[in-house]
Amino acid sequence: EEQLVESGGGLVQPGGSLRLSCVASGFTFSSYWMSWVRQAPGKGLEWVANIKQDGTQIYYVDSVKGRFTISRDNAKNSLYLQMNSLRAEDTAVYYCARKGLPDLWGQGTLVSVSS
Amino acid sequence: QSVLTQPPSVSAAPGQKVTVSCSGSSFNIGYNPVSWYQQFPGTAPKLLISDNDKRPSGIPDRFSGSKSGTSATLDITGLQTGDEADYYCGVWDNRLSVVVFGGGTKLTVL
Repeated sequence: EEQLVESGGGLVQPGGSLRLSCVASGFTFSSYWMSWVRQAPGKGLEWVANIKQDGTQIYYVDSVKGRFTISRDNAKNSLYLQMNSLRAEDTAVYYCARKGLPDLWGQGTLVSVSS
Repeated sequence: QSVLTQPPSVSAAPGQKVTVSCSGSSFNIGYNPVSWYQQFPGTAPKLLISDNDKRPSGIPDRFSGSKSGTSATLDITGLQTGDEADYYCGVWDNRLSVVVFGGGTKLTVL
């Protein structure tokens, strides 16, 4: 079964950092672009970033540029999102997703930024 | 304010048909393929339609997608109470170099 499982969410103070992880199984991880998409409480979907199969191309939404870093380790079938200088408006469920325009989603991990 | 415009809500009776629209521009829908997603409260989105009109394995043929110019449409026929969910369109935007989603449409089956 194709599956994505996120971890690393939690409560963090404004200005703090958090690293999200996503482990893929059931498909050839290294063959796909991968993405992070978030959803603030009660709001719609917001695409955050994506990364090419070999990590040579990366795109970010403007609101996270310079603060978030997407990366991957194909040997570990893993995708990461390093989030620094977190703000209250970054509070959301963060989904790991396969492809730039997703066709497979993880269950999500909640990130809460609050003092 | 989303780059893609969807109606906030649509409704219809069981067994009827409903259409969800998604309006964009030449930078996104007018140039790139559209996907549609279904999301139930508290759960992750699920792919319904890819490449404008292709259903993944396991998606009933009651769900269909189409695209014309800078707009896309999701049709749901034979509505069931279990179809009550939020529906989102998504597409790559060439000008912004990001994936953009519509604001979402809440479907109510009366």
